[in-house]
Amino acid sequence: NAGVTQTPKFQVLKTGQSMTLQCAQDMNHEYMSWYRQDPGMGLRLIHYSVGAGITDQGEVPNGYNVSRSTTEDFPLRLLSAAPSQTSVYFCASSYGINSGGASSPLHFGNGTRLTVT
Amino acid sequence: GENVEQHPSTLSVQEGDSAVIKCTYSDSASNYFPWYKQELGKRPQLIIDIRSNVGEKKDQRIAVTLNKTAKHFSLHITETQPEDSAVYFCAASLTGANNLFFGTGTRLTVIP
Repeated sequence: NAGVTQTPKFQVLKTGQSMTLQCAQDMNHEYMSWYRQDPGMGLRLIHYSVGAGITDQGEVPNGYNVSRSTTEDFPLRLLSAAPSQTSVYFCASSYGINSGGASSPLHFGNGTRLTVT
Repeated sequence: GENVEQHPSTLSVQEGDSAVIKCTYSDSASNYFPWYKQELGKRPQLIIDIRSNVGEKKDQRIAVTLNKTAKHFSLHITETQPEDSAVYFCAASLTGANNLFFGTGTRLTVIP
């Protein structure tokens, strides 16, 4: 299994440009999410999905869109990039919560380092 | 939403000593508390987790304790080694491993 795969690893955008960060997992995980990591602020949840066709907002959703057309893929779209979106972006996935209330650990991808000038 | 505070922000210990990192959380409904280790330029990796129905959990040199009444949990690393040097993040969640709220991280340096 490749686990959680993110592309690209690095990206530089100009203010106002749009782009999509790709995330794919091959573990048949129901739950997928996007976090951004900024110095001194830990990781903050942007958007998440509990299954194909279902998405919801996290702590810091403004300026980002997501969709979940398949179980495997969860792309993150920046509509009009701003310098404040300069960050490292991590995609993560897990099996989610079973009927007994137990959940599996979150697996992270290797990250995408985005710079907006 | 949940608010997680983590202390200290940096910690230096001599090799072989113990290291303790502490976190507090705000929402008493949180039920899952993982700890992640992140080496420079790498992804966060889960090292240990604890659920709200357990007070302590150990895995070799690593242990986590949870005090639900005080809403705080701690990571204990014994017999530290240079390879333990990294940034450690605590997190809390109301929905298991989904939708984690992270602390701001502790940079641990183990001095040989």
